[in-house]
Amino acid sequence: TQLLEQSPQFLSIQEGENLTVYCNSSSVFSSLQWYRQEPGEGPVLLVTVVTGGEVKKLKRLTFQFGDARKDSSLHITAAQTGDTGLYLCAGALEYGNKLVFGAGTILRVKS
Amino acid sequence: GAVVSQHPSWVICKSGTSVKIECRSLDFQATTMFWYRQFPKQSLMLMATSNEGSKATYEQGVEKDKFLINHASLTLSTLTVTSAHPEDSSFYICSASRDTYNEQFFGPGTRLTVL
Repeated sequence: TQLLEQSPQFLSIQEGENLTVYCNSSSVFSSLQWYRQEPGEGPVLLVTVVTGGEVKKLKRLTFQFGDARKDSSLHITAAQTGDTGLYLCAGALEYGNKLVFGAGTILRVKS
Repeated sequence: GAVVSQHPSWVICKSGTSVKIECRSLDFQATTMFWYRQFPKQSLMLMATSNEGSKATYEQGVEKDKFLINHASLTLSTLTVTSAHPEDSSFYICSASRDTYNEQFFGPGTRLTVL
């Protein structure tokens, strides 16, 4: 059983559509990160959320951290083909320094 | 800031040989470095956590004698895959942490192919 459940696993949409990726857990995280990874490259940090209820925006991407710090979402508005990639959420448990990764969401945006 | 390099980016070796992968934090001192393995279209699998000057902590199921980790300084960690076999072929990625909110910054990865 994944400690951090990420959904959906795959998403194929048309350019211009909106989408949301979810990460849920029964554990409380001290922080949660979202990464984007392209094939053959390492993950790139998009954002870190720390405070329950926090909302951060990065251009067309909106990140939300749940009030209880157990879940998070990534919303992309008007997706572009350049958004294609593997999106990973990763939570830092309140003890230790390791990250717990979600299974990832493979996003494909078609033109 | 927070740039992590990894070398080599890809390597092909014969079965039975050893391969060393370097991970460097270029513009910050990393309190902790991590080594991951990733299979195609899957998430990252943590192999081990290393701190400068101390022995690495390996995840369950990861052979420490097979995957040797050395963390010589606050900016350099190495992973040596000893006596590599085809089943060790994978994408290996390192990350470095500054301990700020446990953010990890990843290297570009190393594609290992064992023939």
